Amino acid sequence: DGGITQSPKYLFRKEGQNVTLSCEQNLNHDAMYWYRQDPGQGLRLIYYSQIVNDFQKGDIAEGYSVSREKKESFPLTVTSAQKNPTAFYLCASTHRGLNTEAFFGQGTRLTVV
Amino acid sequence: AQRVTQPEKLLSVFKGAPVELKCNYSYSGSPELFWYVQYSRQRLQLLLRHISRESIKGFTADLNKGETSFHLKKPFAQEEDSAMYYCALKGISGNQFYFGTGTSLTVIP
Repeated sequence: DGGITQSPKYLFRKEGQNVTLSCEQNLNHDAMYWYRQDPGQGLRLIYYSQIVNDFQKGDIAEGYSVSREKKESFPLTVTSAQKNPTAFYLCASTHRGLNTEAFFGQGTRLTVV
Repeated sequence: AQRVTQPEKLLSVFKGAPVELKCNYSYSGSPELFWYVQYSRQRLQLLLRHISRESIKGFTADLNKGETSFHLKKPFAQEEDSAMYYCALKGISGNQFYFGTGTSLTVIP
């Protein structure tokens, strides 16, 4: 079953702790993205990667970090520096080039307690 | 900078009425425009893209470069159209996807 998988679905974190969200795809897509979805603010781009071992900051990268060691995987770490980490996080992937749609995961809801 | 604007956060229409969800963009180049939809408890998925000039589930969207708009239209709304709709822009050079803030559509029976 091809697709993009995020885990876990729900995640709780204590203040001051780092936490890593998983995103895996078996679609052979080159590009992968992380978005944060907040009510009334839509999807805001955190980081994206067009190719293995390369990634770029999006609009709201502060307090987040990523890695892209494998084509299939693009984990997002929410660090203790992120001031307001409670949110819904979406991962997406796409082929590079024109006329390529993005496929999304089911999302991870992170709550800081 | 690329930006996508969806001016309406909430939109309610009666079943059978026409519906238009507005999207305006700013981009220094020739962008690709998309509409994505998120039904309740489902993942975000592509509805249509401007380059295909297609009609999906009765929805159409025309890219108007003069007005920098990509409004989504359907002549007769159905209850199953109730969902969150996002307009998205893909930059040619950077391969980034930028999304609007979304419009929540409710079709009243």
